Amino acid sequence: ILNVEQSPQSLHVQEGDSTNFTCSFPSSNFYALHWYRWETAKSPEALFVMTLNGDEKKKGRISATLNTKEGYSYLYIKGSQPEDSATYLCAPKWNTNAGKSTFGDGTTLTVKP
Amino acid sequence: DTGVSQNPRHKITKRGQNVTFRCDPISEHNRLYWYRQTLGQGPEFLTYFQNEAQLEKSRLLSDRFSAERPKGSFSTLEIQRTEQGDSAMYLCASGRGVDNYGYTFGSGTRLTVV
Repeated sequence: ILNVEQSPQSLHVQEGDSTNFTCSFPSSNFYALHWYRWETAKSPEALFVMTLNGDEKKKGRISATLNTKEGYSYLYIKGSQPEDSATYLCAPKWNTNAGKSTFGDGTTLTVKP
Repeated sequence: DTGVSQNPRHKITKRGQNVTFRCDPISEHNRLYWYRQTLGQGPEFLTYFQNEAQLEKSRLLSDRFSAERPKGSFSTLEIQRTEQGDSAMYLCASGRGVDNYGYTFGSGTRLTVV
């Protein structure tokens, strides 16, 4: 079983704070990694797909980086807003089975006004 | 296209009963996935299809679970002789064969076994 670890498990910040979380995964045979945002009572929504070592992706105030050699990805949120409150899931894939994603347990972010 | 649709949204059943869930994916997506999620955990892979072919089924899945996608469109997930440990959110997702788009998830079916 390929282990995907996300930290921290939960995070409480004040509106306007910047924050970041980590996804760690086995680096051998890495294929691609997706980040998803899952808001309460909604469906998980894809944020980014990352494939190359050194990839950086950005969408508004949210950005992500990828290190495939050491097996980690960071997600950053600049100037957190209450609407950023959600669980953020990372989901890597490996060449040995690129047909499916393996999800971490997520980081739950709560942004207080 | 209205996205991925799952029915029912909620299901309460007695232990030992059979249940069936349905997923209607985005029409142009050839891949369909089933995941299960319990409180505090990430989605756990159950099975996936490419068109009508079931390409993989999790080894963690007991024989009580079966999934079909008969015409390569909608899919059903059946759980026979439900147990309390089956209580979870069952998520369906669809996607294309390329990775750049990720999955599109449905809203899930919340199963409670009493």
